[in-house]
Amino acid sequence: GAGVSQSPSNKVTEKGKDVELRCDPISGHTALYWYRQSLGQGLEFLIYFQGNSAPDKSGLPSDRFSAERTGGSVSTLTIQRTQQEDSAVYLCASRTSGGGDNTGELFFGEGSRLTVL
Amino acid sequence: AQSVTQLDSQVPVFEEAPVELRCNYSSSVSVYLFWYVQYPNQGLQLLLKYLSGSTLVESINGFEAEFNKSQTSFHLRKPSVHISDTAEYFCAVTRVGGYNKLIFGAGTRLAVHP
Repeated sequence: GAGVSQSPSNKVTEKGKDVELRCDPISGHTALYWYRQSLGQGLEFLIYFQGNSAPDKSGLPSDRFSAERTGGSVSTLTIQRTQQEDSAVYLCASRTSGGGDNTGELFFGEGSRLTVL
Repeated sequence: AQSVTQLDSQVPVFEEAPVELRCNYSSSVSVYLFWYVQYPNQGLQLLLKYLSGSTLVESINGFEAEFNKSQTSFHLRKPSVHISDTAEYFCAVTRVGGYNKLIFGAGTRLAVHP
């Protein structure tokens, strides 16, 4: 597709269940980012991928959170044993090049809204 | 480390009035500055950015922002707003020479009323 695609758009789950959120970046974009948007909290950085490797995982809030990227394209964010405080919108973004060139625009998906009951 | 403070969580304004959305940042290194906009039920879009050169930058839809290094600010302004400008606006910074890890403020919700 033309833009960053995320699925599911909405996910309701019960506390303690595992969830997977998927991101399809724009074709050819080597850099991929996950952010979390909580009500009134702005956007919180979670993890950065350059290709399939993640040189910066510093924003993952706990070891229940993990992410992977395969083929330099699709990325999956997994949250194990979900808690109510995990409820948020999870945003994925991509851009054209990595490394030292950070003047480029980030393109965001519409997000996956996670509600943990 | 960098941080961003958006001083107003909500700004109500009447159509055709001027508006200013305030943004202050903190950083021990040089940064690039951005404003992103999130319209209702849409993803974030880049509105404008400051990289270098002229401290006044403009967007295609009439917004402008001025980088003030001494005051560490990057306020967003528009002389006359439209109903369609109703959205959430996020200020962000990233370290020069890094990998574009954006640090965002908490956002300002602009509500334009007729």
